[in-house]
Amino acid sequence: RKEVEQDPGPFNVPEGATVAFNCTYSNSASQSFFWYRQDCRKEPKLLMSVYSSGNEDGRFTAQLNRASQYISLLIRDSKLSDSATYLCVVNDNNDMRFGAGTRLTVKP
Amino acid sequence: GAVVSQHPSWVICKSGTSVKIECRSLDFQATTMFWYRQFPKQSLMLMATSNEGSKATYEQGVEKDKFLINHASLTLSTLTVTSAHPEDSSFYICSAPPPPSYEQYFGPGTRLTVT
Repeated sequence: RKEVEQDPGPFNVPEGATVAFNCTYSNSASQSFFWYRQDCRKEPKLLMSVYSSGNEDGRFTAQLNRASQYISLLIRDSKLSDSATYLCVVNDNNDMRFGAGTRLTVKP
Repeated sequence: GAVVSQHPSWVICKSGTSVKIECRSLDFQATTMFWYRQFPKQSLMLMATSNEGSKATYEQGVEKDKFLINHASLTLSTLTVTSAHPEDSSFYICSAPPPPSYEQYFGPGTRLTVT
């Protein structure tokens, strides 16, 4: 079983749609969780950290479920510019583990 | 936010030659930096963890004698691809977490093409 698993997609959604991604992790002792966004041929950029209480940043909401060992990312009112690959990252004592990424395409 | 730079941004080299890639943290000190490789349409794969003042820690399957890592200062780590082969052609990215956070800031990447 992979340490961090994501549905690779692709997710093709119309503008304005709400889309959600899940990511599961295998190490129950994992401490920090992040969502990164990677555009084609570019480096990943931090989208948001994921806290136990859940957190929201504009149209983006991240949730952590420790009992079930998954994190989620919800994007509301999706924009064309949201098209990218979204990477789930789990950190165990500075040991970074990446999911394979979920590809999102938002269409007009 | 924190800034991480890489140099060069792209390089073309011939088979058998060595290529050095630099990763610098510009506005913070990084005792640890990470090196990744990404093939087209694939996810980032962690290659090694670079530790300032000590040996790098390599992921399983990554040849330490082929991918030499040196972390000589708190702001610079280098990755040298020795005796490069066409199959080493890839996008190499480094990252570093500005302390005390675990958030990773990535360099812009180096695209290596071996002919």
